[in-house]
Amino acid sequence: EAQVTQNPRYLITVTGKKLTVTCSQNMNHEYMSWYRQDPGLGLRQIYYSMNVEVTDKGDVPEGYKVSRKEKRNFPLILESPSPNQTSLYFCASSSGQALVGQYFGPGTRLTVT
Amino acid sequence: AQSVTQPDIHITVSEGASLELRCNYSYGATPYLFWYVQSPGQGLQLLLKYFSGDTLVQGIKGFEAEFKRSQSSFNLRKPSVHWSDAAEYFCAVGRVDSNYQLIWGAGTKLIIKP
Repeated sequence: EAQVTQNPRYLITVTGKKLTVTCSQNMNHEYMSWYRQDPGLGLRQIYYSMNVEVTDKGDVPEGYKVSRKEKRNFPLILESPSPNQTSLYFCASSSGQALVGQYFGPGTRLTVT
Repeated sequence: AQSVTQPDIHITVSEGASLELRCNYSYGATPYLFWYVQSPGQGLQLLLKYFSGDTLVQGIKGFEAEFKRSQSSFNLRKPSVHWSDAAEYFCAVGRVDSNYQLIWGAGTKLIIKP
């Protein structure tokens, strides 16, 4: 089954404790992206990757890091989480570009206290 | 700057009634347009997209959308809603300066009355 998986689905952590949210897709997609969703703000893009070893900033990259060492994986790293990073995070992938239409993961709800 | 507006935060519709969700965008030329649906507790799913050609686009789950250049709109419609359509709906437009990024509306939450 074609899918995007994210782990963990729920995470509660404390300020400053480094964490990684994993994202994996099994569709051999070149494009992957991370979004955060906050009430009333829709989706805001954090980072995206056009292919292995090629990443670029989205609209809200501050406080986040990504890497794309393998085509299927695109982890999101929060080196020093802060409460304003409490949000619902989505990973997405598509074949080629965002304009083709993206497949989304189920989301990771992160709470930073 | 480009923007996408979904004027309705919430819409309540009776089961079996017709539905129209509004989406307006700011851009002079023909953009790439999308509607996504987010069911409770789940990720987003692409309903339909418009790039060019016929301005009435058919999507999954019985949805359709019509691109109206003169009104800068891309409204989503369904002739008869089902309780399972209760979800949040997002309109998005492709950015003119990047094939890799979209601009998203804030979403419209659809509530279905039995």
